Amino acid sequence: EDQVTQSPEALRLQEGESSSLNCSYTVSGLRGLFWYRQDPGKGPEFLFTLYSAGEEKEKERLKATLTKKESFLHITAPKPEDSATYLCAVQRGGSQGNLIFGKGTKLSVKP
Amino acid sequence: GAVVSQHPSRVICKSGTSVKIECRSLDFQATTMFWYRQFPKQSLMLMATSNEGSKATYEQGVEKDKFLINHASLTLSTLTVTSAHPEDSSFYICSARDPSRGVQETPQYFGPGTRLLVL
Repeated sequence: EDQVTQSPEALRLQEGESSSLNCSYTVSGLRGLFWYRQDPGKGPEFLFTLYSAGEEKEKERLKATLTKKESFLHITAPKPEDSATYLCAVQRGGSQGNLIFGKGTKLSVKP
Repeated sequence: GAVVSQHPSRVICKSGTSVKIECRSLDFQATTMFWYRQFPKQSLMLMATSNEGSKATYEQGVEKDKFLINHASLTLSTLTVTSAHPEDSSFYICSARDPSRGVQETPQYFGPGTRLLVL
């Protein structure tokens, strides 16, 4: 069964304290792994797509990496405005583009 | 990134009434749109895949007669919650992919969501 597991469920950091969020997945024929940011009461905002093991992508303080079993979202020197829930999703082969989401990691960055 | 809008942003209705939610792709044409539901502190759960000009594909456990989906044009999909009940109260979010952005899997761009409260 296709599954996406994110850890930790919640993470509290001090401003400037770097850390990583984990996304473990099992899926039949990975077509893509996606990271989104979701603020309370809003729809998810697209961050990154990763397609193959070894791939890395960066955007400002965020860097996403991918292996055959998991993905990491590294946050370097976070700021309070990085506080949000970060969602990981996978798309499996043979689908119409359907995404399977993890439950997310709620990140809080204190000044 | 591509822009997706939803209307209304929130709606309160009485039990037994029907509610229609619109999802529009503003700067691209979307042959496929997706409808999700999100309960508090839970992740997004796919309800159905909406295909322009054809019937929607519903996920297991989602009642197609209760959640009517229409995708009449390349920029508009609607979700109608028929005879809504309090247990239908949730955050409904649509998404769309822009097929013009290349051969690799393009991301889904999400709308801002619609908060439905059924009294």
